[in-house]
Amino acid sequence: DADVTQTPRNRITKTGKRIMLECSQTKGHDRMYWYRQDPGLGLRLIYYSFDVKDINKGEISDGYSVSRQAQAKFSLSLESAIPNQTALYFCATSDLRGGPLTGGSYNEQFFGPGTRLTVL
Amino acid sequence: QKEVEQNSGPLSVPEGAIASLNCTYSDRVSQSFFWYRQYSGKSPELIMSIYSNGDKEDGRFTAQLNKASQYVSLLIRDSQPSDSATYLCAVTGYSTLTFGKGTMLLVSP
Repeated sequence: DADVTQTPRNRITKTGKRIMLECSQTKGHDRMYWYRQDPGLGLRLIYYSFDVKDINKGEISDGYSVSRQAQAKFSLSLESAIPNQTALYFCATSDLRGGPLTGGSYNEQFFGPGTRLTVL
Repeated sequence: QKEVEQNSGPLSVPEGAIASLNCTYSDRVSQSFFWYRQYSGKSPELIMSIYSNGDKEDGRFTAQLNKASQYVSLLIRDSQPSDSATYLCAVTGYSTLTFGKGTMLLVSP
């Protein structure tokens, strides 16, 4: 089974609709992230959460909101979808225990399979 | 504004050759450096991490880091057609990753 799962995998919706994308992980990581990817623009961070009570805005949070329901679940909502939110959305997780000086990994992020969202 | 720069490519190499992918970054306090491989329409897959100056080898992949020059590279030896993908460089300080836009690699049989 995949360590990071995203639902739905594909979604077509209309302008003005509310959309929720869900992410679940079985890696036991504390940190979770939402990115969008657009051709020519690369991966851009929307929101991130370092634990259940922590939510932080990323580079492009306008028009989005998130909810961290549990350590393993992080949802992204588009309150009123617009066509320029058409993109590929990725969830990612990371674990900051340790670090390179103590032999651990430092913010290695692992990605879910992505959700292709089209807003008409 | 933290920036990570990569040549967009495509970088074309014949099968069996060495592919060299390069990345520069702007934030001098960056501590960790990553290379991800992304096939078209798929999610990024972590292939290399490097934290200290010098070389790190893993199979056919070698990551090279030079913090003084703010430069990180990825060498792929004995390139295979299955290596054809976009390679993303990512850099982090203490919290979040900043990604480059990626270099497309094409390996011809």
